[in-house]
Amino acid sequence: ETGVTQTPRHLVMGMTNKKSLKCEQHLGHNAMYWYKQSAKKPLELMFVYSLEERVENNSVPSRFSPECPNSSHLFLHLHTLQPEDSALYLCASSQDGGGSYNEQFFGPGTRLTVL
Amino acid sequence: GQNIDQPTEMTATEGAIVQINCTYQTSGFNGLFWYQQHAGEAPTFLSYNVLDGLEEKGRFSSFLSRSKGYSYLLLKELQMKDSASYLCAALDSNYQLIWGAGTKLIIKP
Repeated sequence: ETGVTQTPRHLVMGMTNKKSLKCEQHLGHNAMYWYKQSAKKPLELMFVYSLEERVENNSVPSRFSPECPNSSHLFLHLHTLQPEDSALYLCASSQDGGGSYNEQFFGPGTRLTVL
Repeated sequence: GQNIDQPTEMTATEGAIVQINCTYQTSGFNGLFWYQQHAGEAPTFLSYNVLDGLEEKGRFSSFLSRSKGYSYLLLKELQMKDSASYLCAALDSNYQLIWGAGTKLIIKP
């Protein structure tokens, strides 16, 4: 495995379900990110972790709960989502979490549909 | 507020040249990125400019004018595989990326 991987690639869930998205990076990076990408809208940064500590939370609803057990893995736990949460969820990693130029490497995303 | 503007969609012909513009308004500035995203795939890095001028990388070039808050991505000798969305993103004073909504480029034979 190389780069940034995400599972599942597609997910359909009801509003009462609980599910988790998984991201793994094999680049030796220290920072990981969750983004939401909706059609014709800019990427929305949700969470940033640097060295396994959360450094950014852009006022994301509590129905989204991130977890970063180590610098290679990042999870996004989902519960009681709304239909408007349907989107492509992208994970990215970079060498460092901030304070410097950082090219971000993206995973292929999880296409989430909330019914 | 912080804002990135780029056209929603552009169409060009195979073999031709296309220029995708991006204007930005950010709190401070630490550089500008261009990413390419094919449908259903991850965004991939194309270029990074922090100084004024043109950076050339094969068929793709990126230009930056800091005084005008303006950048463009120039694609030459267009190929069908260049059909994709092109995302512009500016790095603000906190080194946070501010993203544009992307420009969908359609290449016609």
